[in-house]
Parts: sequence; C-alpha cells; structure tokens
Amino acid sequence: ETGVTQTPRHLVMGMTNKKSLKCEQHLGHNAMYWYKQSAKKPLELMFVYSLEERVENNSVPSRFSPECPNSSHLFLHLHTLQPEDSALYLCASSQGLGGRYEQYFGPGTRLTVT
Amino acid sequence: AQSVTQLGSHVSVSEGALVLLRCNYSSSVPPYLFWYVQYPNQGLQLLLKYTSAATLVKGINGFEAEFKKSETSFHLTKPSAHMSDAAEYFCAVSAGGTSYGKLTFGQGTILTVHP
Repeated sequence: ETGVTQTPRHLVMGMTNKKSLKCEQHLGHNAMYWYKQSAKKPLELMFVYSLEERVENNSVPSRFSPECPNSSHLFLHLHTLQPEDSALYLCASSQGLGGRYEQYFGPGTRLTVT
Repeated sequence: AQSVTQLGSHVSVSEGALVLLRCNYSSSVPPYLFWYVQYPNQGLQLLLKYTSAATLVKGINGFEAEFKKSETSFHLTKPSAHMSDAAEYFCAVSAGGTSYGKLTFGQGTILTVHP
C-alpha cells in the first residue's frame, strides 16, 4: 500500500447504528486530519492530530469521535448520526503541522445515513 | 484569519484551449498557497504549491500558477487543455511560519473540457 488509504470506501448506515471509518498513511508523516466534504460546501476541517495528540476539534458534534492510536492510523467512530451527516469523509496526512507542509489525501469514504 | 475565493464555480473550455482558474486569497500573514485537483470518486491530489520562493510555480500535468501579492491572487493556468483535465479544482491557503497552519479551501471550480 502507498500513500493514504481509507476503508470502507462506501458506507450506508441507519441513524441508530455505530460504525467506524479507518485511515492509514504509509508516508511516515506526523500529522493526520479528518475533513467532511458535502455537496456545494467547502471542505470542512473536523479534527487534527499531531503525534497522536488532538490539536484541533473544529466544533464537531459529539456523535463523531476520533481516535489516533499511533501516527500511522486514524479512526472516526460514528454513532447516532443524522441524515445531514451524509457526505464524503476525507482523511489526510502531512509531514508536520506548519503551514508550508502540503497535505496528502486518501480517496475518501462515501457515507450515506438513512 | 484567512479565506479563499474561487471565481466561477464552473469553467468550460475546448480541448487545446487555455485553462484559467481564478483564486483570490485573504491572509493576515504571508501565506502558503496550494492548488488541488479532485477527480470523480477520488480524494484530492496536490497540483502545486507556493511557499515564498519563486512567484511562478510549476506543477504536475502542465499546470502552473503565479503568486501576485499586489492582487492577492494565485490563478491556475494551463496553455492547452486536455480531456483528462476535466475535474474539480480547489485553491487553498494556510498561514506562513512554523506554527500550526490550518488549510482553508475555496468552494472549488469544476472544469469541463469539450472535444
């Protein structure tokens, strides 16, 4: 595997379900990110981790719970979601947190909440 | 605070024509600027970045962008469009320096290429 991988690629879940999204980066980076991409809206930054510590929680509802067990893996645990949470969830990583570091993105998980 | 405005949510060109995608930014400190491309059902791929070296930045797939501080612009160009360039393009800005640089994205511009 190379770059940033995400599983599953597609997920359909009911509002009462619990599921998790997984992201893995194979680039030796120290920072990882979760973004939400909805139709007709700019990418929304959700969470930022640096060396497994959360450095930003961008006013995300508690029904989204991130976990970063090590610098290569990032999870997003989902529970009691709403239909408006349907979106493409993108994971990204970067070498460091400074603004000059470009972010490398995974292919995303297309989430549909029914 | 920082922001990005992409002028034109849709741009349509003929194959072989010039591609021009417009991006204006606002930043309280010298910025870093990026262009990303997203193909259908894929994540974002970095095309090029400006980090205060040369103002004309060359990227992948024949794209380039010019940083113009006086106009607070970072427009993306390609001399001759190819059908494979059809995608959505995002301009993004982050704060300069070594502290945490949150990446702020524009709304995106969908590029359509006609044969």
